[in-house]
Amino acid sequence: GQQVMQIPQYQHVQEGEDFTTYCNSSTTLSNIQWYKQRPGGHPVFLIQLVKSGEVKKQKRLTFQFGEAKKNSSLHITATQTTDVGTYFCAGRVSGNTGKLIFGQGTTLQVKP
Amino acid sequence: ETGVTQSPTHLIKTRGQQVTLRCSSQSGHNTVSWYQQALGQGPQFIFQYYREEENGRGNFPPRFSGLQFPNYSSELNVNALELDDSALYLCASSPTAETQYFGPGTRLLVL
Repeated sequence: GQQVMQIPQYQHVQEGEDFTTYCNSSTTLSNIQWYKQRPGGHPVFLIQLVKSGEVKKQKRLTFQFGEAKKNSSLHITATQTTDVGTYFCAGRVSGNTGKLIFGQGTTLQVKP
Repeated sequence: ETGVTQSPTHLIKTRGQQVTLRCSSQSGHNTVSWYQQALGQGPQFIFQYYREEENGRGNFPPRFSGLQFPNYSSELNVNALELDDSALYLCASSPTAETQYFGPGTRLLVL
């Protein structure tokens, strides 16, 4: 079946270091979304990417969508302790407007 | 604050029982999706409703069913509960095809 894989599963960084999480889909996606979930919380929408090769920035966060629309990445520059949480990508499959497939998430820990 | 509320926050049931979880969306959010999130996993798509009609379903058996009402509220019903149904159940409502707002979730424990 359709799968979205995310790596790494966990990442521990020192405050100020950069962080990247990668997302790969087994099928072409119509768009991809990124979410952040704090411990004990619910996923919070960060961004949606739609176009092949699209790059979007939100302050220290940079999101990319691959040319083939099968992979994506989230890069955080100079991490802060407030960045702690689990980051999920979620892909929407072409032809099925409703279904959103989430990756397993990457949990980020930031040491002050 | 997303404006999406869910009830109850926590629930304990036993195997074989039935459960109804509720979600209240913001006015104007015509689309609502339900997800199951097991501990340490990403949310798994159960189904989506758009203007009270099912608009996509994930790999969940028919004992998972839903309803969406004209007042932007919705329900997730699960019959014949199994131990593996223990999870956080999230609803997410959307005003557009782009943004999705999650509620705080209902944590279900099946004993």
